Amino acid sequence: GENVEQHPSTLSVQEGDSAVIKCTYSDSASNYFPWYKQELGKRPQLIIDIRSNVGEKKDQRIAVTLNKTAKHFSLHITETQPEDSAVYFCAASSHGGNNRLAFGKGNQVVVIP
Amino acid sequence: DVKVTQSSRYLVKRTGEKVFLECVQDMDHENMFWYRQDPGLGLRLIYFSYDVKMKEKGDIPEGYSVSREKKERFSLILESASTNQTSMYLCASSLGDRGNEQFFGPGTRLTVL
Repeated sequence: GENVEQHPSTLSVQEGDSAVIKCTYSDSASNYFPWYKQELGKRPQLIIDIRSNVGEKKDQRIAVTLNKTAKHFSLHITETQPEDSAVYFCAASSHGGNNRLAFGKGNQVVVIP
Repeated sequence: DVKVTQSSRYLVKRTGEKVFLECVQDMDHENMFWYRQDPGLGLRLIYFSYDVKMKEKGDIPEGYSVSREKKERFSLILESASTNQTSMYLCASSLGDRGNEQFFGPGTRLTVL
């Protein structure tokens, strides 16, 4: 099955700086790559996703890039703010057509005011 | 607005007890999922269901079973709870096709004594 690895496990950034989280996946058949944000004590929520026919997608201060050849995708957060502090999970669509996802282990982002 | 609810936010059970965790979604989603979240291990899929009475094992099904008798409800059952099943349990739902957002419930923090 699909295996998703996420690095680094913890990232501290100064407010206003950029943060980048990288994920790698193993199954070249995966074609959907979402990112979820989980604030402390809350449920994970989708913040951005990308499909394999697109190389980059932006939504205000966040962007995701995909390199299918190297089988990795990255989340970019620009002009970080304290409310960006959270755990971020990447995922990749697994085998089959039932929207099963394989999640990475999560990345704790701490934005220092 | 999609709403996924779970029967309990916190639950304390004793070793050997049979435990039922309930999840309900109100958006007529075909897929429902049960995950377990542990620090440093991310979101691990226990079971999922893509239709009423249909189920598939995830990555860590041992010690768990599920039931989906109605489309909106997906139950996770611990036949004989053990201390290593102490964890946060998250339910999610999504439309049927690959590449659709998974909407998460608030989670149930289960402690097995």
